[in-house]
Amino acid sequence: GAVVSQHPSWVICKSGTSVKIECRSLDFQATTMFWYRQFPKQSLMLMATSNEGSKATYEQGVEKDKFLINHASLTLSTLTVTSAHPEDSSFYICSARAFSPLGASGIRNYNEQFFGPGTRLTVL
Amino acid sequence: GIQVEQSPPDLILQEGANSTLRCNFSDSVNNLQWFHQNPWGQLINLFYIPSGTKQNGRLSATTVATERYSLLYISSSQTTDSGVYFCADTGFQKLVFGTGTRLLVSP
Repeated sequence: GAVVSQHPSWVICKSGTSVKIECRSLDFQATTMFWYRQFPKQSLMLMATSNEGSKATYEQGVEKDKFLINHASLTLSTLTVTSAHPEDSSFYICSARAFSPLGASGIRNYNEQFFGPGTRLTVL
Repeated sequence: GIQVEQSPPDLILQEGANSTLRCNFSDSVNNLQWFHQNPWGQLINLFYIPSGTKQNGRLSATTVATERYSLLYISSSQTTDSGVYFCADTGFQKLVFGTGTRLLVSP
């Protein structure tokens, strides 16, 4: 239980193109999803908080027009990196927080976050 | 906001050895979690432990909320335990991560 998937797992694109990354909670509903960025040998940096049906909340220093976030349903959030440049190359990870403390997945801790496997983006 | 410090930053162990990882917080603990990030980048939930002690196989964790720290114990370490261990806690509903402990277990 409590599985979060991300797609794609890796992507290589040319500078100037846009890339969409999907984050899905497979066996639970998530009103809130989070997007993180991780540079090599560093900790995770929160980029934005995504709430179903409302606009995302971005952390200071994160360009909302460059990193578009959509949380269309209780199981899907997407991150679109627009007009990607080499400096956007990174490891992007999403997480989801359970909507309900109980369910088929057996999640018991409402505030516990579960993470996707990450997407490695390389911009040439 | 809350600050999270982890120690040690790096740890090298021989297979079979035991270890203790520590996490200190600057503010009260709310929803402390321990994670293991494997070499492929996947974060694996180890414990959700805002207080008390929990055990899961060779791993156990203790959080002393009043003193703002948590400990992760790894016993009889195996090579598959290698990776980075993070603790994190929520401040204003956002997880704040520590800088991690990089563990290498050699055969």
